[in-house]
Amino acid sequence: DTGVSQDPRHKITKRGQNVTFRCDPISEHNRLYWYRQTLGQGPEFLTYFQNEAQLEKSRLLSDRFSAERPKGSFSTLEIQRTEQGDSAMYLCASSNLQQRGGTDTQYFGPGTRLTVL
Amino acid sequence: AQSVTQLDSQVPVFEEAPVELRCNYSSSVSVYLFWYVQYPNQGLQLLLKYLSGSTLVKSINGFEAEFNKSQTSFHLRKPSVHISDTAEYFCAAITNFGNEKLTFGTGTRLTIIP
Repeated sequence: DTGVSQDPRHKITKRGQNVTFRCDPISEHNRLYWYRQTLGQGPEFLTYFQNEAQLEKSRLLSDRFSAERPKGSFSTLEIQRTEQGDSAMYLCASSNLQQRGGTDTQYFGPGTRLTVL
Repeated sequence: AQSVTQLDSQVPVFEEAPVELRCNYSSSVSVYLFWYVQYPNQGLQLLLKYLSGSTLVKSINGFEAEFNKSQTSFHLRKPSVHISDTAEYFCAAITNFGNEKLTFGTGTRLTIIP
């Protein structure tokens, strides 16, 4: 098991450009989460998927953000018309939730650090 | 709404001294509690977790945390720290058992002084 991987690890872009990040979860994990971490803060929940279905989006996720998880495997997070306030570390996590009301450890990837100039 | 508070943003400790990193949560419902550690230039790793049962939980590298419902706390302790414990430590909670999303504190940077 190779763990959760994220690509790219670093992304520098100019304001107004679009960026896309990829997350590959641990194989056969049915839950996939995206979090955002800004300097001096803990990670904040953005959205999550159960298999291919996106079940919840945080109010932090403006309409410039979109996430997909086709076929319930890898996921992409796209930010359109980036703003300087989007600069942050974007973290992906996956888990294998077997039953409602239970829980499973969320395993985190190394993150993608976005810098918007 | 639930929240997790880590009052200490930075904790310097001499090597081999004991340490306690504080975490308090606010929730009127049942809660799962976690400590994650982030070593320099690495991702978050689970250190230990409380789901139910014994209120004292331990990690493989000597850390322990105790769930205290009356004080709504989940402080992390280690009796003797090592240089390799230098990292940022995040307390987190799950109270919504539908989405199991983690709510994190702001983190505590533990610095070990040789």
